[in-house]
Amino acid sequence: DGGITQSPKYLFRKEGQNVTLSCEQNLNHDAMYWYRQDPGQGLRLIYYSQIVNDFQKGDIAEGYSVSREKKESFPLTVTSAQKNPTAFYLCASKPQGTTNEKLFFGSGTQLSVL
Amino acid sequence: DAKTTQPPSMDCAEGRAANLPCNHSTISGNEYVYWYRQIHSQGPQYIIHGLKNNETNEMASLIITEDRKSSTLILPHATLRDTAVYYCIVRVPWGGGSQGNLIFGKGTKLSVKP
Repeated sequence: DGGITQSPKYLFRKEGQNVTLSCEQNLNHDAMYWYRQDPGQGLRLIYYSQIVNDFQKGDIAEGYSVSREKKESFPLTVTSAQKNPTAFYLCASKPQGTTNEKLFFGSGTQLSVL
Repeated sequence: DAKTTQPPSMDCAEGRAANLPCNHSTISGNEYVYWYRQIHSQGPQYIIHGLKNNETNEMASLIITEDRKSSTLILPHATLRDTAVYYCIVRVPWGGGSQGNLIFGKGTKLSVKP
């Protein structure tokens, strides 16, 4: 089945540690996004990529990094510089060059600090 | 992108229609109205979108007022599985010269009760 897969479902980070969240899609979508969601809040954009080897900062990029070496994959690294990383992280994708803003979301990764 | 206003929460009896309002009084002529929903601990799910005409699909109906300053999402026969946070978003389509992302606010928490 086509879709967008995030792993792991739950992740724990120790102080000073970098962790990487995986996002893979087999929908042949060009654009991919990472959002952060805190309890009871909406979604805030961290990074997005419209095409392979290119990505842009979103509203809250500090303390995060991404790469887009393959169309299918858009991993997010939460670095030690992110002082409050505990949140629900959502990855999304959509085809490029369309007027339909229909985003497809993964099931999310809950990151907690030990 | 125009800002939206939604009530923070609503209740609906199972089997009845759920009518979720959204105010977007500053919407511009080329901005679409999108609705997504998010069931607890999952990624948001696209529901429907429209520009000025009313729209219907297998999930819901979207009613947009003639002046386009507000809209209503209608779930015709709500079930317990429709309990979720519903997000109303207005946005210029990707091809309309705007780059970036959909802005998800706090939405409306709909509770469907037996």
